[in-house]
Amino acid sequence: QKEVEQDPGPLSVPEGAIVSLNCTYSNSAFQYFMWYRQYSRKGPELLMYTYSSGNKEDGRFTAQVDKSSKYISLFIRDSQPSDSATYLCAMIDDYKLSFGAGTTVTVRA
Amino acid sequence: GAVVSQHPSRVICKSGTSVKIECRSLDFQATTMFWYRQFPKQSLMLMATSNEGSKATYEQGVEKDKFLINHASLTLSTLTVTSAHPEDSSFYICSASPGTGYEQYFGPGTRLTVT
Repeated sequence: QKEVEQDPGPLSVPEGAIVSLNCTYSNSAFQYFMWYRQYSRKGPELLMYTYSSGNKEDGRFTAQVDKSSKYISLFIRDSQPSDSATYLCAMIDDYKLSFGAGTTVTVRA
Repeated sequence: GAVVSQHPSRVICKSGTSVKIECRSLDFQATTMFWYRQFPKQSLMLMATSNEGSKATYEQGVEKDKFLINHASLTLSTLTVTSAHPEDSSFYICSASPGTGYEQYFGPGTRLTVT
C-alpha cells in the first residue's frame, strides 16, 4: 500500500466549475500537507500548505485537512482553462516529502 | 522570491557516458537540497537528500555510486549520472529548502534521454 493515495484522473470540467481533488494517507506521522501544481514538463509549484486539521483559503483555492480520517482535499472555485495542470498532494514526515500520483485536470473553455 | 534553476533543461547522451545536472537556488541559501526523478505519468520519487558540506543521504534502492551528488555551496548542488543507460532516461527535478525541508522550492526539471 502506498503511503499517499491519489486518483490520477483525468478530470475534465467546464470553465467556472468547482474542481475537487483529494488524497488519503496512511502515515500518522505526516505533519505538513501541501498541494503542488505541475504543468507539463515543468517542476512542481507550491500552491498551498497547511499544518493542522481544518480549512485554509487562498483566493480561489481552499485546502482541507482531516487528520482523524487521514484525508486531505483541494477545491478550486471558478476554474479557468489556465488551471489545467496536474495537481499533486504531498506530505512531510520529518523533512521527507511523499507525493501522491497526481491528478490531471483539464478545464474546458 | 524562492527561485530554483536547473541546467541543462534537456540533455541527450549516449549510453555509457556521464551527465552532470546543476541545481541552483537563486535568491536564497539552501541548507538542504533534494533530488527527485519522475517517470511519465508518475509521481516524484525522492532519490537523495543533501546538506551543504556533507555527504548525501540516498533513498533505499538508489545507487549512490551511480548517482553522485555534490552540495558544494549553499546555492549549488549537482547530480552526476555516471555510466548512463537507457533505463536512466527520466525527468530529474531538484528542490531546495532554506531550512530542514518543510518548505521546498522546485526547479524546472531536466529531461535526460540516454540513447
